Amino acid sequence: GENVEQHPSTLSVQEGDSAVIKCTYSDSASNYFPWYKQELGKRPQLIIDIRSNVGEKKDQRIAVTLNKTAKHFSLHITETQPEDSAVYFCAAYAGGTSYGKLTFGQGTILTVHP
Amino acid sequence: IAGITQAPTSQILAAGRRMTLRCTQDMRHNAMYWYRQDLGLGLRLIHYSNTAGTTGKGEVPDGYSVSRANTDDFPLTLASAVPSQTSVYFCASRKGQGANTGELFFGEGSRLTVL
Repeated sequence: GENVEQHPSTLSVQEGDSAVIKCTYSDSASNYFPWYKQELGKRPQLIIDIRSNVGEKKDQRIAVTLNKTAKHFSLHITETQPEDSAVYFCAAYAGGTSYGKLTFGQGTILTVHP
Repeated sequence: IAGITQAPTSQILAAGRRMTLRCTQDMRHNAMYWYRQDLGLGLRLIHYSNTAGTTGKGEVPDGYSVSRANTDDFPLTLASAVPSQTSVYFCASRKGQGANTGELFFGEGSRLTVL
């Protein structure tokens, strides 16, 4: 089945700096890659996603890049703010025999210091 | 208000007891999922259902069972709870089965402690 690895597990930055979180996946049939943000005590919520026919997608301060050949994708947050502090999860949606499954990475705890 | 509801929000139970976590959505979503969240391990898929009447196993299905008798409900049952099943459980739903249907909507979670 699909295996998603996420790094780093923790990330600490100063307000205004950029933050990058990286994920790799194993199933070459995976074709949809969302990112979720989970604030303390809350449910995960989608912040951005990318499909396999696109290399990059931006939404204000957040961007995601995808390299299908290398099977990795990354989340980029620019001009970080204290409210960006949360746990971030990448995920991969597999096709083929794993149709219907969305596999998550282990999560990255991002702390933005004022 | 449309959304996805889980019950109970928190529960403590003795090892060996049977427990059912309830999940209901009113968005008419086809696909539903159960994940468990443990520190350092992220969200691990237990079981999923692409549509009413069908279910599939995720990464960590042992000790859990599900049913999908209709579109709205997707209960998760622990037949005989063990301490390693102490976790936060999230139910989620998605509009369709394919990747084009995008966003996963999560419930608020159920915190389960097995003593």
